[in-house]
Amino acid sequence: AQSVTQLDSHVSVSEGTPVLLRCNYSSSYSPSLFWYVQHPNKGLQLLLKYTSAATLVKGINGFEAEFKKSETSFHLTKPSAHMSDAAEYFCVVSGGANAGGTSYGKLTFGQGTILTVHP
Amino acid sequence: GAVVSQHPSWVICKSGTSVKIECRSLDFQATTMFWYRQFPKQSLMLMATSNEGSKATYEQGVEKDKFLINHASLTLSTLTVTSAHPEDSSFYICSARDYRRGRNTGELFFGEGSRLTVL
Repeated sequence: AQSVTQLDSHVSVSEGTPVLLRCNYSSSYSPSLFWYVQHPNKGLQLLLKYTSAATLVKGINGFEAEFKKSETSFHLTKPSAHMSDAAEYFCVVSGGANAGGTSYGKLTFGQGTILTVHP
Repeated sequence: GAVVSQHPSWVICKSGTSVKIECRSLDFQATTMFWYRQFPKQSLMLMATSNEGSKATYEQGVEKDKFLINHASLTLSTLTVTSAHPEDSSFYICSARDYRRGRNTGELFFGEGSRLTVL
């Protein structure tokens, strides 16, 4: 079984200030973790992924996330927010190749965090 | 990255009619595609797993006779909402895994989504 909790439904920041979107997960297997971004009425775009390699993962558009097994967290950060970052962000866990059975390949989505960036 | 295309991106129909949504993998073959539904301001919910050449696997609570899924080729899966009603209005998103790139991670590539409005 696996689950994802995004701790904030809304985050509001000023342009140029740091962004922190929090995510905690639980998984019976060694998980793969992802952050996806969704702009209004659009599909999902992958920001970054963790797949049991380096715990600090760098993604597109200056985002990065750190996998902390002891804290079961995978928080998304960006040093300086841009207006174009305003969107909804989803933290996602997958059972991955080691999961086997019905967990493999199934993605479990967090509830999403809406990021608002003020000028 | 891999490209998944959905069509139509939006559709408005009358209650009682059926609507077909197509999901295509443009530059890779996908033996498995996934269909999600997203309600306003909510996360994605997996509806079904579409398997090429065999029957789809539906998640609990999803009516298979209501949401017909056909995966006739390695690059095309279709979702047909039969006898649509206003409560079927939603944003439907498909995804597929490019096994050349996503097999060991569970990463999925998403379509742009299709917004269905049933009057």
